[in-house]
Parts: sequence; C-alpha cells; structure tokens
Amino acid sequence: EAQVTQNPRYLITVTGKKLTVTCSQNMNHEYMSWYRQDPGLGLRQIYYSMNVEVTDKGDVPEGYKVSRKEKRNFPLILESPSPNQTSLYFCASSLSQGQATNYGYTFGSGTRLTVV
Amino acid sequence: AQKVTQAQTEISVVEKEDVTLDCVYETRDTTYYLFWYKQPPSGELVFLIRRNSFDEQNEISGRYSWNFQKSTSSFNFTITASQVVDSAVYFCALSEAFAGANSKLTFGKGITLSVRP
Repeated sequence: EAQVTQNPRYLITVTGKKLTVTCSQNMNHEYMSWYRQDPGLGLRQIYYSMNVEVTDKGDVPEGYKVSRKEKRNFPLILESPSPNQTSLYFCASSLSQGQATNYGYTFGSGTRLTVV
Repeated sequence: AQKVTQAQTEISVVEKEDVTLDCVYETRDTTYYLFWYKQPPSGELVFLIRRNSFDEQNEISGRYSWNFQKSTSSFNFTITASQVVDSAVYFCALSEAFAGANSKLTFGKGITLSVRP
C-alpha cells in the first residue's frame, strides 16, 4: 500500500531533550515536506526536500533540522525542543515539484508532540 | 505571495441541512492547484479534491460539490444533506505550479464543521 509513515504518533517530552520524528514513504517520491498545525493558524511548512541531499527552509524552520540521506526517509529533528514547538506535525510527499503537473500530495497520519 | 482565506471559523448545522464552506485565494501565478482536505477528530488529513486553474468546471462527488470561480478567486465546497460523520475541520489549500523547487501547499486556517443529529 502506497503510504507515508510517521513515527511516533504521540510523543510527550521535556524541554531541551533532543528528539527525532521519522517519516518514510514507499512511493519513490522525490519531494518531501514537513508541516506543523496549530489552532487558528492552519498548517505551515517547516522544511522541504527536492531530492536526496537537497533540503531547504519553509516558512517556520526555526528550531528544526532535517536530513535527506535516502530518498524514502525525511526525519525531522528537534535539537532542543521548547514548549512553543508543541504541535501536530505532518509529513507529506509528492512525485515531483516545480513542474506544470502537480501530482498531489500524500500525507502521513500526523505526530502529536507535547513539550513540557 | 500566495494566500488562502477561510473566513468562516466554525459552522454548526443540523443533520440533513446543506452547508457551504467558503475559500478565497490569492496568487500571482496563472497556473496553480487548489485542494480541499478533511481532518476528522482522529487527526489525519483526508484528501477530497484537487483542481487545476485551467479547469473551471464544477465537480460533484456524491453529497460533495465544488464551485470554482476564477473571477472571484473562490473555490467553495458544499455538502448536501449533511451527516454527523461530516463533522470535521476542513482545509482549503493552494499550490503554485511553477514555484521553483518548492511548490508548497499554502493552507487556510480551517473551518470546523459540527453536524448535530
């Protein structure tokens, strides 16, 4: 089954303790992206990746890191989490971007992160 | 810069009523894509529709219909004969086709729809 898998689904952590949210897709998609969802703000892009070893900042990258060492994986890293990073996070992938044809996006099931 | 406005924040209806969710967008591109997603209480994002800017035909899928009007930059979503299972947050989103490397989705803030029995 074609899907984007995020782990964990739920995570409660303490301020300053490094954590990684994993994202993996099995569709050979080139484009992957992370979004965070906050009440009253909708979803906002954190980082994106066009392909292996190609990543760039989205609209709200502060406090986050990403890597793309393999095509299928795009982990989101919080080196020193803070309470303002408490949010619902989504990973998304798409076949390719920057072209006239938009193939649509596949979203993971979300990771609900609480930083206390 | 692209922008999506969902002016309605919360809507409450009684089952079997029709309800329209409004979406207004801004973009400088002539080629772009519009989306609607549903987020039920379980939290996942459920894809409903994708429409490209060259296709202004309205679409109907069961009880769902979409009205795309470029003249008013709107992409409204109507649920006919609403049901309790329609209760969710609904997001409208925009993606520019030629945004270089990052054709990100720009989301509206979402509309919380509550359908009462």
